[in-house]
This record gives sequence, C-alpha cells and structure tokens, in this order.
Amino acid sequence: GENVEQHPSTLSVQEGDSAVIKCTYSDSASNYFPWYKQELGKGPQLIIDIRSNVGEKKDQRIAVTLNKTAKHFSLHITETQPEDSAVYFCAASIATGGFKTIFGAGTRLFVKA
Amino acid sequence: DTEVTQTPKHLVMGMTNKKSLKCEQHMGHRAMYWYKQKAKKPPELMFVYSYEKLSINESVPSRFSPECPNSSLLNLHLHALQPEDSALYLCASSPTETLQNEQFFGPGTRLTVL
Repeated sequence: GENVEQHPSTLSVQEGDSAVIKCTYSDSASNYFPWYKQELGKGPQLIIDIRSNVGEKKDQRIAVTLNKTAKHFSLHITETQPEDSAVYFCAASIATGGFKTIFGAGTRLFVKA
Repeated sequence: DTEVTQTPKHLVMGMTNKKSLKCEQHMGHRAMYWYKQKAKKPPELMFVYSYEKLSINESVPSRFSPECPNSSLLNLHLHALQPEDSALYLCASSPTETLQNEQFFGPGTRLTVL
C-alpha cells in the first residue's frame, strides 16, 4: 500500500527565516497531495494542496513543489511568524475503490520570536 | 457554514460501557470520514462513507461501529473498548469521495478508556 515519509520530525527556525518540509511517497498512482496544519487542540486544517499535473503552487508565504518522477513533494514557508508554529502533515491520496488519504508522520515546527 | 462539529469534546468510559461519538456538517458534503489519532502521530483512516454508504473499512475492530443516518450526520458507536483505544477521534467531510478534494476536519473527541 501507499507509504508517505516526512522529514524532519522537528524543525526550529527564527522568526523571518524560511522553513522547508520534505515528503516522499511510494505509490506512483497517488495524484493528490494536500498539506495540513494542526494546532494544539484542533483538527488538521488544509493549508495548500497540489495535484499531479502541476509542478508548483504558491499561496502568499506558502509554496508546494512536486517532483512526480522522484515521488517527492515539499512545503516551503517563507518569512515565518510565531503563529506558524504547529504540526504540519503532508499526505498523498490514492484511489483504491474510493480515495484514501495517507498522512506522513508530521513535522513539529517551532518559530522563535 | 464551513464547519464540522463533533460531540462530545471529551469522553471517559470504562471497558464495559457503550457510548457514541457524533459528527455533523452542513456543507452539503457527501463523503464523511472517521480517523483515529494517537498522541504525536498522524491521523489514521478508520471508515469512509460515501452517499451514506460505507465504502472503506480499514479493518477496524468490530467494537467500533459506524453509522451514517443521513447526509449530514455521522456516528461512531463504541462498545467494549480497550485502554489502547484511547485517542483523539477525528471526523472529516469532503464534497465527494471520488474526486480529489480537501477534507474538512472537526476538532475531534478526546477519548479515554479506563
């Protein structure tokens, strides 16, 4: 089945610096790659997503890149702010008689003021 | 209304109890999901309902019984749980199951089994 690996597990940056989180997936049939942010006591919230027919997508300070050949996708956050501190999950969706979303292990991001 | 609500927020139950978790959305979504999330781990899919029919069951033990009474409601009935079932139970919805869509998550029910 699909497996999603995510690195690093913890990331600490200074406010204003950039943060990069990387994921790899195993099943070439995966074609939808969402990124979720989970704050303490809340459910995950989508921050950006990318489909397999697109190589890059940007939304203000957040960007995602996808390399289908290498089965890699990455999240880039620029000009980080303390409120960006949270757990970030990458995910890959695959159709197996219905769409399943498989999550990476998560990255705990700390932004120091 | 772009919200998924879950009740209760917290639940403590004994191993012989029967309880239910409830989830509601009014976005007109036709796919609803139950996930289990242990501390410092990612959400793990348990069940998927599509148009009120169960479409995916990820080999979940029968002590967890899902129910989708209508397109807005999703229940998870709990019976004879084990302490290792203690976790955050997340409900999510998306417009349909068959297209790649954002899933909207509720805040979860934190379950403790004594």
